[in-house]
Amino acid sequence: DAGVIQSPRHEVTEMGQEVTLRCKPISGHDYLFWYRQTMMRGLELLIYFNNNVPIDDSGMPEDRFSAKMPNASFSTLKIQPSEPRDSAVYFCASLGVGLTEAFFGQGTRLTVV
Amino acid sequence: AQSVAQPEDQVNVAEGNPLTVKCTYSVSGNPYLFWYVQYPNRGLQFLLKYITGDNLVKGSYGFEAEFNKSQTSFHLKKPSALVSDSALYFCAVGPDMRFGAGTRLTVKP
Repeated sequence: DAGVIQSPRHEVTEMGQEVTLRCKPISGHDYLFWYRQTMMRGLELLIYFNNNVPIDDSGMPEDRFSAKMPNASFSTLKIQPSEPRDSAVYFCASLGVGLTEAFFGQGTRLTVV
Repeated sequence: AQSVAQPEDQVNVAEGNPLTVKCTYSVSGNPYLFWYVQYPNRGLQFLLKYITGDNLVKGSYGFEAEFNKSQTSFHLKKPSALVSDSALYFCAVGPDMRFGAGTRLTVKP
């Protein structure tokens, strides 16, 4: 397995534009997590899914943020409209049954100008 | 709600000395605890976990952690630090994988 795959690796966009981040979890993992990492706020859990169902989205900062998991092999995090304060590194991670370790993707570095 | 706390933003040690990175937890029920390391411009990498069993957990790269129920702690330790251990370390609690603020470890030659 190639691990957790995130795309794009880097994204630069203008304020007000829609941004979509993508994640492919490890096959067979039934938990998927989205995180945001900034210097000021550290590593924040935004939302997580279990068997494609959102379990806890209390970390999603605003209505501008939305996440979907249409099937077991794909998830998206969308920001619409984007703002400069959304600039951060966004990580996706997946976790299998039995609480084996969570595997992280390489992250997407988002810059909103 | 489950949470972990890392009381130190920064830990500095000399190469060859033992290191400790602290973590305390707050959970209802049995804790599932993890340590991860992050190198610059990389994702987080798993070091070790405690689910049940022996209170001393051994992990990757010579790291170990001690689960202490009475002190609600899960400190990360290594007997002899290497310069290459310099990185950002995160404690986490499962199953919803909430992370602490991170501790930057610097090992000086």
